[in-house]
Amino acid sequence: GQSLEQPSEVTAVEGAIVQINCTYQTSGFYGLSWYQQHDGGAPTFLSYNALDGLEETGRFSSFLSRSDSYGYLLLQELQMKDSASYFCAVRGNSGNTPLVFGKGTRLSVIA
Amino acid sequence: DGGITQSPKYLFRKEGQNVTLSCEQNLNHDAMYWYRQDPGQGLRLIYYSQIVNDFQKGDIAEGYSVSREKKESFPLTVTSAQKNPTAFYLCASNSRVATDTQYFGPGTRLTVL
Repeated sequence: GQSLEQPSEVTAVEGAIVQINCTYQTSGFYGLSWYQQHDGGAPTFLSYNALDGLEETGRFSSFLSRSDSYGYLLLQELQMKDSASYFCAVRGNSGNTPLVFGKGTRLSVIA
Repeated sequence: DGGITQSPKYLFRKEGQNVTLSCEQNLNHDAMYWYRQDPGQGLRLIYYSQIVNDFQKGDIAEGYSVSREKKESFPLTVTSAQKNPTAFYLCASNSRVATDTQYFGPGTRLTVL
């Protein structure tokens, strides 16, 4: 099967940079996705990496190393509204199976 | 506006009763999904459907049932066989399963008393 590991909680200061790591195990790899979820809300798609390297979208960047089965989400210029849970996800073992999500990292941004 | 709707936002039921959660999408997506979320846990897949009149079990299908009679609708029934039904239920959809971007509804918080 697939498994994903990410820290359960991270705390960072407003204006700072924070990195949320994700390691995964899957027999077939079709890319690593990241989702954001505010308390009581729906998860929303943030980014997707299929190839090694860094993808940047505004204040958020996502990195992937397929050889290390590792990725991270980088949040810059942290704002209070970034306080949320962040989930990494991979597709199942074949290309036609649904996403499998990690347990999520709860980010708390403090003043 | 295109999107996914789930109703109601909060639902209370007595133990032993079946309850059906609704999920409707107007995004013209073929694939739809049901997830369960418990505090401090990720999203666990209950059922998914790739096309109308077809669906597959996810990781935690026991005690749940679904139907997919229309492309737009994918209702989830939580049966009395589900041992711990109190949870946050999320419906999602995308154009096809082999796509990494999923769009989620606002969720239904079910509390069984």
